[in-house]
Amino acid sequence: DTGVSQDPRHKITKRGQNVTFRCDPISEHNRLYWYRQTLGQGPEFLTYFQNEAQLEKSRLLSDRFSAERPKGSFSTLEIQRTEQGDSAMYLCASSSTGAPETQYFGPGTRLLVL
Amino acid sequence: AQSVAQPEDQVNVAEGNPLTVKCTYSVSGNPYLFWYVQYPNRGLQFLLKYITGDNLVKGSYGFEAEFNKSQTSFHLKKPSALVSDSALYFCAVREYYGGATNKLIFGTGTLLAVQP
Repeated sequence: DTGVSQDPRHKITKRGQNVTFRCDPISEHNRLYWYRQTLGQGPEFLTYFQNEAQLEKSRLLSDRFSAERPKGSFSTLEIQRTEQGDSAMYLCASSSTGAPETQYFGPGTRLLVL
Repeated sequence: AQSVAQPEDQVNVAEGNPLTVKCTYSVSGNPYLFWYVQYPNRGLQFLLKYITGDNLVKGSYGFEAEFNKSQTSFHLKKPSALVSDSALYFCAVREYYGGATNKLIFGTGTLLAVQP
């Protein structure tokens, strides 16, 4: 049973560039979540998908952020016109229909915006 | 506002001694509570959860947690600490807003340092 995978694991970019992260959930998990974690803080919820439908979005998710899950499997999170304040660890999690409350996290993508 | 508090930034314990990492919560409705562990530069690893039933919940790697409704607490415990338990521990609660949501609210984390 493979866990949640995320790609890339690290990303360094210059301010103003666009970046895209990918998340592959645990096989057959229909729910997928994105969180952001900054240094010294716990993860903060960004958005949630059930299958391909994006059902919840945090106010943290500004217009520069967009997430998709086109076929209900993998998901992408894109940040346009990155800012230094976007530097953080972006975590993806998934959960199953049988135990929707239990979220399993991937290793995260660490973003550094210069 | 719904929240989770972890009052200790760091807990130090000698190997072989019992450990406790504290967590208190504030949430409407019946709380769903979780503990996760994070090793350096890694994602969060699920340890255990409380949904309903027995107040003492057993989880992975010998950890357990005690739910106390009157004190709104969910402290993480282990009878005998290992050096390999050294990591960052997060308590989380599922948000309840007119009904359960799918959002987890996390505490700020407690760094557990186990000395050999």
